Amino acid sequence: DGGITQSPKYLFRKEGQNVTLSCEQNLNHDAMYWYRQDPGQGLRLIYYSQIVNDFQKGDIAEGYSVSREKKESFPLTVTSAQKNPTAFYLCASSVGDGGAGELFFGEGSRLTVL
Amino acid sequence: EDQVTQSPEALRLQEGESSSLNCSYTVSGLRGLFWYRQDPGKGPEFLFTLYSAGEEKEKERLKATLTKKESFLHITAPKPEDSATYLCAVVPGGSYIPTFGRGTSLIVHP
Repeated sequence: DGGITQSPKYLFRKEGQNVTLSCEQNLNHDAMYWYRQDPGQGLRLIYYSQIVNDFQKGDIAEGYSVSREKKESFPLTVTSAQKNPTAFYLCASSVGDGGAGELFFGEGSRLTVL
Repeated sequence: EDQVTQSPEALRLQEGESSSLNCSYTVSGLRGLFWYRQDPGKGPEFLFTLYSAGEEKEKERLKATLTKKESFLHITAPKPEDSATYLCAVVPGGSYIPTFGRGTSLIVHP
């Protein structure tokens, strides 16, 4: 079945450590996104990518980094520079320009900083 | 600045008690308005896309409508399994990146 796979589902990190969240899709979608969700908040865009080897910052990119070396993969690194990294992270994909707004989401990764 | 406001923040209904969720928006043009359902600890699931004022979409007990300033998600005779957070998102003209509202948490009691 086609879909988006995020891993790990739960992750604990000590302060000062970098951590990488995995996102893989087999939907053959061009565009991929990373969102952060906090309690009572809407989804806030961290980074997005329209094509391989290209990505753009979203509204809250500080303290995060991404890569898009393959169409299927869009990993997110939460660096030690991110001041409040504890959150629920969601990866999504879409067909790109033609499927504006219709996103397919993964199950999410919950990061807790100890 | 593009804004999306959802109300109410939380809604409790008895099974069978119909109601509506609101999503008001201010964007420069509207490419599309989207509704998603999110269960606790899960990723959002796409429900509907609306493109122009007057458009309506239905799916089981849900019906989404759109005007020039807002959208409503009508829930008819809800069941406990309809309990979830409902998210609204808009894509402004000239873009393909959605801006999300904070959602409405719906609980339907049996």
